[in-house]
Amino acid sequence: DIQMTQSPSSLSASVGDRLTITCRASQSISTYVNWYQQKSGKAPKLLIYAASSLQSGVPSRFSGSGAETDFTLTISSLQPEDFATYFCQQSYGTPFTFGPGTKVDI
Amino acid sequence: QVQLQQWGAGLLKPSETLSLACVVYGGSFSGYYWTWIRQTPGKGLEWIGEITPTGSANYNPSLKSRVTILGDVSKNQFSLNLSSVTAADTGVYHCARGDQWLVPPMRYYFLDVWDKGTTVTVSS
Repeated sequence: DIQMTQSPSSLSASVGDRLTITCRASQSISTYVNWYQQKSGKAPKLLIYAASSLQSGVPSRFSGSGAETDFTLTISSLQPEDFATYFCQQSYGTPFTFGPGTKVDI
Repeated sequence: QVQLQQWGAGLLKPSETLSLACVVYGGSFSGYYWTWIRQTPGKGLEWIGEITPTGSANYNPSLKSRVTILGDVSKNQFSLNLSSVTAADTGVYHCARGDQWLVPPMRYYFLDVWDKGTTVTVSS
């Protein structure tokens, strides 16, 4: 299975901050990475697919980049509603696997 | 707007079979990958498996011997059966829709609709 790791596991930030979360794959996966946001008790929400494509309806302050083994999710200016846990996922091959998550709090 | 709603037993004893069903509201069942994912304390988010647009199923090898996923187009729903459960199967179970973006030869797959999940507890 392809292992996905994320860093940091958690971070504290303030409204207006620029935030970068890193995801690393255990092997090269081209740009087959998706990013999700999950708030406590809620359904995960797709933010970014194919490493850098913004899902419809997602604010443009979210962006993704990277290829092969190293990927980043960036929030350009953190808003109050962005405090949540963020997961990366590889879709290069089954079983699809997820990173352990990065919790963003105030 | 597509929504998913699932139901099933939330409390099981070891060795019992977990059975969940998920119904699709507000959208087509055909053409998508209907997927089960779980969040457990031990493994975080784990892809369990999917029913594909052709009706075939793909499973996580780590669970394959115990999992069955079926789809019913006429009812717009799909189901999960996980047999011989143990405490390690305790967690939140999500159903989700898988879709793809084709940029030949690439096929980008993602989960674009999720339900909020059901908590399943396995305890004697």
